[in-house]
Amino acid sequence: AQSVSQHNHHVILSEAASLELGCNYSYGGTVNLFWYVQYPGQHLQLLLKYFSGDPLVKGIKGFEAEFIKSKFSFNLRKPSVQWSDTAEYLCAVNAVGSSGSARQLTFGSGTQLTVLP
Amino acid sequence: NAGVTQTPKFQVLKTGQSMTLQCAQDMNHEYMSWYRQDPGMGLRLIHYSVGAGITDQGEVPNGYNVSRSTTEDFPLRLLSAAPSQTSVYFCASSYSGLGGTDTQYFGPGTRLTVL
Repeated sequence: AQSVSQHNHHVILSEAASLELGCNYSYGGTVNLFWYVQYPGQHLQLLLKYFSGDPLVKGIKGFEAEFIKSKFSFNLRKPSVQWSDTAEYLCAVNAVGSSGSARQLTFGSGTQLTVLP
Repeated sequence: NAGVTQTPKFQVLKTGQSMTLQCAQDMNHEYMSWYRQDPGMGLRLIHYSVGAGITDQGEVPNGYNVSRSTTEDFPLRLLSAAPSQTSVYFCASSYSGLGGTDTQYFGPGTRLTVL
């Protein structure tokens, strides 16, 4: 079964700082990759996703992520964060071609981002 | 569309009690799932359904039952609550019965405390 690692549990940045959140997965086959975000008091929502094609994916609110297959990584980036980006960020992976529960989304442990005004 | 709705928002149970967490979606989605979120552990899949009448176990199914009699509803039953089931529970749905290949839409969550 696949697994997802998010090594940064809590990141604190000042406004205008650049952001990079790490996401690594373990699965040797084809994957679909997702970043979800949970703003305080709101639903989990999709930030961006990668299925195929250009490995640099752009999402909402100025976020982007790059899929590097050789490194099994899908890191999330934003050049300049805002106070409103304070949220929990979750990386998720789906193993294409697997079956049963292994075909479902596997989430990382999440990264809490705090942006100081 | 209301999207994915969950009731109740908060619940406190005593050990051994049973209850049902409700989940409904009005988007005609085939796929529905239940996750639990615990600090430092992300979301873990409890049960999922790829269509009415079809359910399957996820990563952490023990102590929970589900059924899917209609496309819209996917209730999660706790048979005999234990303190280890204290968590935040999220229901999600997606259009495709393929589950993880589609964007999932999440409900607001139910915060459950078992004493």
